[in-house]
Amino acid sequence: SQQGEEDPQALSIQEGENATMNCSYKTSINNLQWYRQNSGRGLVHLILIRSNEREKHSGRLRVTLDTSKKSSSLLITASRAADTASYFCATDNQGGKLIFGQGTELSVKP
Amino acid sequence: EPEVTQTPSHQVTQMGQEVILRCVPISNHLYFYWYRQILGQKVEFLVSFYNNEISEKSEIFDDQFSVERPDGSNFTLKIRSTKLEDSAMYFCASTNGIGDTIYFGEGSWLTVV
Repeated sequence: SQQGEEDPQALSIQEGENATMNCSYKTSINNLQWYRQNSGRGLVHLILIRSNEREKHSGRLRVTLDTSKKSSSLLITASRAADTASYFCATDNQGGKLIFGQGTELSVKP
Repeated sequence: EPEVTQTPSHQVTQMGQEVILRCVPISNHLYFYWYRQILGQKVEFLVSFYNNEISEKSEIFDDQFSVERPDGSNFTLKIRSTKLEDSAMYFCASTNGIGDTIYFGEGSWLTVV
């Protein structure tokens, strides 16, 4: 089954606007982790949210988790051109193995 | 901040050749992983490694693949006889404990020609 499917697949916004990306999954999880990937580069860890948490903040990032709906969202506030990247959610449902979604391509125009 | 390092960053190899991708996980981490990302596709789990043995592997990780922790710091992925479809970015990752943050390296681009 598919896990960690992101929505939208692509998002284009102006600098200063907020960007919201959503992630849905199908099975129970231990935690959900969000990553950023600049084109052709490595995966940079953003936030980990555990199954018993509902919201976490880190700087301009806010992640929510709704286990009843099996969904999570990543909000980037006051976006910058440097936030342009692909964003992935990845679910950890056992043993530390992450299952990734297809990602959301975010483009922030100056 | 500690990081996972991978070498080489790029490698081009002939089909049928053996390739070894190397990783140095974060020093106090105990769990190690390899993932791969074919161009334009999602990141896929290959294998997890703990206490000097494979703890889980995916269907992708067939007999052509092997992993090794030859010493206290390195973690390697070997592809015995490469195929065109092995062309991908290979990521090494590590974590201190199950359920903790998993940190990824910058990846090794493998192109099989």
